[in-house]
Amino acid sequence: QVTLKESGPALVKPTQTLTLTCTLSGFSLLTSGVRVSWIRQPPGKALEWLARIDWDGDEFYNTSLKTRVTISKDTSKNQVVLRMTNVDPVDTGTYYCAFGSAGGWSNFWGQGTLVTVSS
Amino acid sequence: DIVMTQSPDSLAVSLGERATINCRSSQSLLSSSNNKNYLAWYQQKPGLPPKLLIYWASTRESGVPDRFSGSGSGTDFTLTISSLQAEDVAVYYCQQYYTAPPHTFGQGTKLEIK
Repeated sequence: QVTLKESGPALVKPTQTLTLTCTLSGFSLLTSGVRVSWIRQPPGKALEWLARIDWDGDEFYNTSLKTRVTISKDTSKNQVVLRMTNVDPVDTGTYYCAFGSAGGWSNFWGQGTLVTVSS
Repeated sequence: DIVMTQSPDSLAVSLGERATINCRSSQSLLSSSNNKNYLAWYQQKPGLPPKLLIYWASTRESGVPDRFSGSGSGTDFTLTISSLQAEDVAVYYCQQYYTAPPHTFGQGTKLEIK
């Protein structure tokens, strides 16, 4: 059974760096075809695709956020980490990690973690 | 980046009636190599993560009721719910996954009961 769980701080101050962890179970990050994405959603607004890391280590980023966002994986812990630098209140929202193994869609999602950026 | 535009932004349909949601991409999502359209549809209910409904524009994910169907090709796509049920109240998103990421989403369509 594939499950994903996001964790990280609920509150971050402006200009700080946000670090979120996605812990995966039911599959290995080393399995060919595995792709893990981060998607966020400001309160009451639409989904925004942020980044993806693939089983072979390839990384992909949202064009407008690529200077602030880094995605990485720890295969020993079966975790994917998202780092976002210099956060602003507009970065407030629910952050989801999601899994896909074919094509570019995501068929398993975590429950999401709400992050508030405020001083 | 490919821009995805959904219409309408919100929609109210009576129970048992058909609901139609449209999605347009700023460039074609049809691959000439495999004749597939690189488009997915998701359903999101309040307080929950999105749920995959359809991929390859028209392939239903396992377990999704057959009242949900996807159609279209190139730049214009449609999600149809043939007979609206109360549990279908949600926000629906399209997502393109043509070529390498970023894999952008539409702005969402809120579906309610009339």
